[in-house]
Parts: sequence; structure tokens; C-alpha cells
Amino acid sequence: SQKIEQNSEALNIQEGKTATLTCNYTNYSPAYLQWYRQDPGRGPVFLLLIRENEKEKRKERLKVTFDTTLKQSLFHITASQPADSATYLCALGDNDMRFGAGTRLTVKP
Amino acid sequence: NAGVTQTPKFQVLKTGQSMTLQCAQDMNHEYMSWYRQDPGMGLRLIHYSVGAGITDQGEVPNGYNVSRSTTEDFPLRLLSAAPSQTSVYFCASSRAGEYQPQHFGDGTRLSIL
Repeated sequence: SQKIEQNSEALNIQEGKTATLTCNYTNYSPAYLQWYRQDPGRGPVFLLLIRENEKEKRKERLKVTFDTTLKQSLFHITASQPADSATYLCALGDNDMRFGAGTRLTVKP
Repeated sequence: NAGVTQTPKFQVLKTGQSMTLQCAQDMNHEYMSWYRQDPGMGLRLIHYSVGAGITDQGEVPNGYNVSRSTTEDFPLRLLSAAPSQTSVYFCASSRAGEYQPQHFGDGTRLSIL
């Protein structure tokens, strides 16, 4: 069956460090993958989309990689700040888009 | 620019009651969907629609009905609420086609006693 796994339920890091979140998938051949941010009590907010022919995508302090051989995406936040504390979700699929369970990131001052 | 609006924000029901969760978007998006979010299980797709008059089932459709009579609205109906349907429900919309980000509402928190 198809699975999307985000390896860590929670990740705690110190301010200024780089946070790295992992998304692994099985039984998918996605044309692209998306990352979202969700704050408590709010809906997810789209951050980045990476296509299968793109190895890396950047947006300000965010970087996403996509390895279709390993079936894995890595999401990096450089120079992390307490305001980056949130749950981060990866998502695959088109009309029937499926999400991972998310990784709750806490950045401590 | 309201985006995706969900009503109500909170609701408590008794087992067996019926209810409609409302979702409206003002971005003229063709695609709309409903998810439920439970602790440790992430977002699970209930139903989706690629345009007015067209709906399809997602991962967990049982116990829920949808219809799409207009582009703007995509209501979710619980015909006979069960405690297992206690959850946070999110509606999302996007343009049709590949590579489109989803725009989410802020959810309806539903408790069924």
C-alpha cells in the first residue's frame, strides 16, 4: 500500500542551527512533492513544491531536495528562528493528494 | 481576499445527529477537497471534487456525503454522526492540474458525544 512517512514526530533544535526534516514514501511515483507548514489551530500553508526533475529547490532560508531513487525528500531550514516552530507536512499526489503525519519542529532561543 | 472559509469553527453533536460542514472559496478554484486530521494520523482525504457536478471518494469516505453544485461551495454532510467522526475537518481548494498548491481553511473542530 502507499505510505508517506515523516521520520520524526518531533524535532527540537537551537536557534541559529539548521533543521532537517525527512519525508519518505513507498509505492508512489510522484511527479512532484509539496511541503506545508501548520501552526496550532490553523490550516496548513503551502511552502514549496519540487518536481521530479528538480534535485533541489530554494526559497529564502528554506531548501528542499527530492531523490526519486531513494524515494525521499529532505526539508531544510537554515539559520532557524523560534518563529519557525510549527508542524511541517509533506504531501504527494494530484487529485487524491495524501499527507504525511508531520514533524513538529521546536526552535529554542 | 477571504480565501477558503469554513463554518462553523466549533461544533458539538450527539451520536446520530446530522450536520453539514460548510466550505466556500472565492478564488474560482476548480478543485476542492475535504480532509480530517486526527492526532498521529495526519491529514486524511475524505472526498474531493475537480469541478461543479463532479465528486470522488478519497481515503476515508465512509459516513460522509458531498455535493458540488457551484464552483464556490463544497459542503460536507454527516448523515448520522458517530463518536469516531470526532476530529478536525479541513477544506482545501486549488486550481486544476498538476503542480498546484492547496489553499486550506482554518478548520472545523467537531466533537461527537
